[in-house]
Amino acid sequence: AQTVTQSQPEMSVQEAETVTLSCTYDTSESNYYLFWYKQPPSRQMILVIRQEAYKQQNATENRFSVNFQKAAKSFSLKISDSQLGDTAMYFCAFGIQGAQKLVFGQGTRLTINP
Amino acid sequence: NAGVTQTPKFQVLKTGQSMTLQCAQDMNHNSMYWYRQDPGMGLRLIYYSASEGTTDKGEVPNGYNVSRLNKREFSLRLESAAPSQTSVYFCASSVIPNYGYTFGSGTRLTVV
Repeated sequence: AQTVTQSQPEMSVQEAETVTLSCTYDTSESNYYLFWYKQPPSRQMILVIRQEAYKQQNATENRFSVNFQKAAKSFSLKISDSQLGDTAMYFCAFGIQGAQKLVFGQGTRLTINP
Repeated sequence: NAGVTQTPKFQVLKTGQSMTLQCAQDMNHNSMYWYRQDPGMGLRLIYYSASEGTTDKGEVPNGYNVSRLNKREFSLRLESAAPSQTSVYFCASSVIPNYGYTFGSGTRLTVV
């Protein structure tokens, strides 16, 4: 069975700093997808970024980027120039190509301090 | 642009009561899901429906039933609520999971 591990339950940084959230996963599959979701205090789950395992290039969305290390089964999220609105729970998720479901990590609670 | 609509947003039940959580999506997605979110455990899959007319168990199906009423609607029923079912419940949908999910806003359920 696939598992996703987020080893940092909580993180806190100052506004404008750069922060990296860690995620590791375990799978024997070679074709899969990885995601980061943001859950602000409003509780709404928002897709932040998506990475296809067959792509070597790391995905980027504005201030959000990933460091995808396939051999190490690592998928970290970097937030540059952090803003107060980045305060949220962040979930890493994994899905196998052709499968019907995603597996989520435990989440990292990120607080951006003014 | 409604996306995925869940009702209710909050609910308090007494042990043994039953209730149905409703979910509807207007994006013509094939797949729909029910997850529960508990502190320190992330989101765990309860049931999913890959297409209209099909449902499958997820990681934590015990104590729940689902109905895929049509392509738009996917309901979750608790027949006899227990305190262990206190959680936040999310419905989600996807055209195919590789593109990620669209989530509803969640239901906070408390069973006393």
